[in-house]
Amino acid sequence: ETGVTQSPTHLIKTRGQQVTLRCSSQSGHNTVSWYQQALGQGPQFIFQYYREEENGRGNFPPRFSGLQFPNYSSELNVNALELDDSALYLCASSLAGVEKLFFGSGTQLSVL
Amino acid sequence: QKEVEQDPGPLSVPEGAIVSLNCTYSNSAFQYFMWYRQYSRKGPELLMYTYSSGNKEDGRFTAQVDKSSKYISLFIRDSQPSDSATYLCAMTSREGAQKLVFGQGTRLTINP
Repeated sequence: ETGVTQSPTHLIKTRGQQVTLRCSSQSGHNTVSWYQQALGQGPQFIFQYYREEENGRGNFPPRFSGLQFPNYSSELNVNALELDDSALYLCASSLAGVEKLFFGSGTQLSVL
Repeated sequence: QKEVEQDPGPLSVPEGAIVSLNCTYSNSAFQYFMWYRQYSRKGPELLMYTYSSGNKEDGRFTAQVDKSSKYISLFIRDSQPSDSATYLCAMTSREGAQKLVFGQGTRLTINP
């Protein structure tokens, strides 16, 4: 059984740039969620994808967008990066209707 | 007021001690309660998963949920230095997406 994998592990960008983060779901899981974790804080829900459509969104602006592909992998895109976007971005996969989420190791994004 | 409150610690105890970690919450719709363990610069790892009120035991770990008081606990018996990590409580309702609401996390150190 393959776990949730994320790439890249670390990324440095400058303010105003755009970034794409990638996630491969755990084998057999059809739902993917993205979370942002600032230093010293708990993860915050960005959005969730099921059947390639957004299935719920947290309190994040539209410059945070995503995609889910037919193989259930996913991308998180952030446009017009701001300094406050510096955080650990976590992807989690699950089965629809089952509240157990399994997280990847995350992508550490630094915005300078 | 945050939906989920968790004392960030840090909490430091000697090896072998019983550790008690707690969270309170305000949303009575929460039905699913989880505890995650997060090592530094890693993704959260699901430790315990409980539906509604009651106790659940898994090895040295016991999770308790008291929905009437909106209070959940995690107990760790015979604590080991390898238990040193940040512990995050998380919870969700059955409504809409599998949006987990996390506490801030408690940083725990077990001293040999």
